[in-house]
Amino acid sequence: GEDVEQSLFLSVREGDSSVINCTYTDSSSTYLYWYKQEPGAGLQLLTYIFSNMDMKQDQRLTVLLNKKDKHLSLRIADTQTGDSAIYFCAENRIMDTGRRALTFGSGTRLQVQP
Amino acid sequence: EAGVVQSPRYKIIEKKQPVAFWCNPISGHNTLYWYLQNLGQGPELLIRYENEEAVDDSQLPKDRFSAERLKGVDSTLKIQPAELGDSAVYLCASSPGGSGGETQYFGPGTRLLVL
Repeated sequence: GEDVEQSLFLSVREGDSSVINCTYTDSSSTYLYWYKQEPGAGLQLLTYIFSNMDMKQDQRLTVLLNKKDKHLSLRIADTQTGDSAIYFCAENRIMDTGRRALTFGSGTRLQVQP
Repeated sequence: EAGVVQSPRYKIIEKKQPVAFWCNPISGHNTLYWYLQNLGQGPELLIRYENEEAVDDSQLPKDRFSAERLKGVDSTLKIQPAELGDSAVYLCASSPGGSGGETQYFGPGTRLLVL
């Protein structure tokens, strides 16, 4: 399909791990990103992965990339209530203009229950 | 270091009125982006500037939307006249260069409500 796809909602208990999944569209995307958006705020870059990698770890965050399936995931270990937000997956897709541009999914709302 | 600054944070106008949004990117960032974010959706690119040149404005509705970045730093996005469907959050982002693969840093956005 044409869209970057994410599930709409995920609920976890504090201390558990969260896994947010994303399917992207362009196999030639060179970077894939995860952004976090809290209510009323802009997007905060969490992490990104270069397309020649299959895993990246950054403290509590682990990004897994499966290029064959065009699947990206974000794992948050020891999820805290402060992690409650909307998480956006994005790819830097080649557009009709021939230039790359970020294309975002619709976001996954993560709710962390105490 | 200051992040991307946008103003106003909120704007309420009546339909058919004009409105303008302002963005100051991170110092030294040559590339500036304007995005539209509808409720429950991810941001969609409206226009991208490399310095003062608009290099991708294919998604900008040019009948009512305009943008400028005259000195290659600050930028304004204007809607004239505004329609009900323009109610959304307008996000500005910047990145250091123009490769298209670089990390973008977002401002807090301007939330527009058209009545």
